[in-house]
Amino acid sequence: GAVVSQHPSWVICKSGTSVKIECRSLDFQATTMFWYRQFPKQSLMLMATSNEGSKATYEQGVEKDKFLINHASLTLSTLTVTSAHPEDSSFYICSATLTGESGEQYFGPGTRLTVT
Amino acid sequence: AQSVSQHNHHVILSEAASLELGCNYSYGGTVNLFWYVQYPGQHLQLLLKYFSGDPLVKGIKGFEAEFIKSKFSFNLRKPSVQWSDTAEYFCAVKNTGGGNKLTFGTGTQLKVEL
Repeated sequence: GAVVSQHPSWVICKSGTSVKIECRSLDFQATTMFWYRQFPKQSLMLMATSNEGSKATYEQGVEKDKFLINHASLTLSTLTVTSAHPEDSSFYICSATLTGESGEQYFGPGTRLTVT
Repeated sequence: AQSVSQHNHHVILSEAASLELGCNYSYGGTVNLFWYVQYPGQHLQLLLKYFSGDPLVKGIKGFEAEFIKSKFSFNLRKPSVQWSDTAEYFCAVKNTGGGNKLTFGTGTQLKVEL
């Protein structure tokens, strides 16, 4: 149980376009989802915390107008990278916590974004 | 702000060798501690976690970790590694007063040679 999926697994887009990444909890309801960014050979950096039905909370230094997060339901959160630039190329990972359970996060497989 | 340090960035061991990966955190309050593993091409998986109680925590696949509060440490250990343990290992900390946000260490790449 507690499986999280992401779609797409990889995407290539042109500079200036927008890309949407989906994060789904497949077999559980997640009131909270998290979006991370991972640079090569580096750790996961939390970008934002997404709560169902409310606005996302962004970490310091993360542009909320560039990285739009929508948590429309208890099983789906989306991250849209708007007007993407090559420096946005990265590995984006989402995670979800079980409703009522504290601490443990279940991670998706990640999405590799390459902006050309 | 809390931070997590993993001092070993790359570790190479032979099969059957013992493993200890260091993890230190900086936060004075109550914390929950985690070790995650990322096998090549796969997503992060939880190895073990510490919330409270016995500071020696046993996880999956023979891994264990010891929480030493006075040293702000949560080192990961395994008595005898296998080739299949080749992966990247991340220590993570959550302060109990900060929601469910995790702060990750920089990771340790473990390679186990036959």
